[in-house]
Amino acid sequence: QKEVEQNSGPLSVPEGAIASLNCTYSDRVSQSFFWYRQYSGKSPELIMSIYSNGDKEDGRFTAQLNKASQYVSLLIRDSQPSDSATYLCADRNAGGTSYGKLTFGQGTILTVHP
Amino acid sequence: EPEVTQTPSHQVTQMGQEVILRCVPISNHLYFYWYRQILGQKVEFLVSFYNNEISEKSEIFDDQFSVERPDGSNFTLKIRSTKLEDSAMYFCASSQQGSDGYTFGSGTRLTVV
Repeated sequence: QKEVEQNSGPLSVPEGAIASLNCTYSDRVSQSFFWYRQYSGKSPELIMSIYSNGDKEDGRFTAQLNKASQYVSLLIRDSQPSDSATYLCADRNAGGTSYGKLTFGQGTILTVHP
Repeated sequence: EPEVTQTPSHQVTQMGQEVILRCVPISNHLYFYWYRQILGQKVEFLVSFYNNEISEKSEIFDDQFSVERPDGSNFTLKIRSTKLEDSAMYFCASSQQGSDGYTFGSGTRLTVV
């Protein structure tokens, strides 16, 4: 069973700080990873995708991928109260096809306090 | 910004009844998915659909479930005989390529009583 594991938190950071969210995955052949943000009662919203080892930056967000360690992370710089949400890590299991089923972690609850 | 549209937003149904959840994916997207999220739990894959057929389905997607793309725009999930444990948020999603991240719809909250 392919798994994606996240610390459920809650992770609490002060406004303006860096929030660091982590994720590990079990499927060694996984190639694509995604970070979604989910506000309470709402649908997941795609923040970042990452496919290659290293860092990928988009505005205040940086995704990091280390395939050797099977580890993905998301850094949020200058955290704002509006960033308070559950952050979902997802692994796209190609399974030999290109149809792209996503396996989600249980999510990390982030609270940014003023 | 293109959106995936789902209707209804909330559906209450009696156990044993059939329900149809509707989705309008983004118009130039080719891959379609249904996921569900039981309250407080993970987002779980149900089924993927491409080229007018199911490309993959999970163990959850048993004979009680079916999907259809009846015309060029709608994508539906039917649950034939609902059970209490089918109560969840059901999310439709679509992507242009199988390798892309998805765009999720706003979801249908299904409550089976």
